[in-house]
Amino acid sequence: DVKVTQSSRYLVKRTGEKVFLECVQDMDHENMFWYRQDPGLGLRLIYFSYDVKMKEKGDIPEGYSVSREKKERFSLILESASTNQTSMYLCASTTPGQGSNQPQHFGDGTRLSIL
Amino acid sequence: AQSVAQPEDQVNVAEGNPLTVKCTYSVSGNPYLFWYVQYPNRGLQFLLKYITGDNLVKGSYGFEAEFNKSQTSFHLKKPSALVSDSALYFCAVRDMGSNYQLIWGAGTKLIIKP
Repeated sequence: DVKVTQSSRYLVKRTGEKVFLECVQDMDHENMFWYRQDPGLGLRLIYFSYDVKMKEKGDIPEGYSVSREKKERFSLILESASTNQTSMYLCASTTPGQGSNQPQHFGDGTRLSIL
Repeated sequence: AQSVAQPEDQVNVAEGNPLTVKCTYSVSGNPYLFWYVQYPNRGLQFLLKYITGDNLVKGSYGFEAEFNKSQTSFHLKKPSALVSDSALYFCAVRDMGSNYQLIWGAGTKLIIKP
């Protein structure tokens, strides 16, 4: 089974701090994604990466950056945390597949609170 | 614009009864459609997908979904609900402008009462 591991289940940080969320997958997937999940809004894509050192902005990249130095690891960085970034953050991975019909595999999420 | 709608925020069903969670979509071209489930404090798990072929797709945990092109719908169904099916369900469709991105519905909370 594919395993996507997020480094923290719960995290509490203060406004203005630099925050790192880590994600590791063990299936050699090319594509990795960072989403935030808020009630009633579904999943919103922050950034995704289709290869090492490659990244593309999603729908809500403002206030975030990412790093993909190794294929298995995709990091989300909050440059200067703000209270409106309090949310559940989900990492996912997938292979490109044929016509990109492959499902995404998710980690268990990091519930981040910014005080 | 491409979009996915889950018109019900919450669906309540008695255990043993059939359940339906609705999803409609708006995309250009042929859609790739997915259903995922999220249990409390967990990530999303893939249930099933429609790519092409038979309009009735079977997936995990006894779930199935029916693709209806004329109604642009992809409703999730199960003949007999279990209390353990209580969870948050998401419908998603591939963004035809991208090879990898999915467009997500807002989610439907399914509550199965004993």
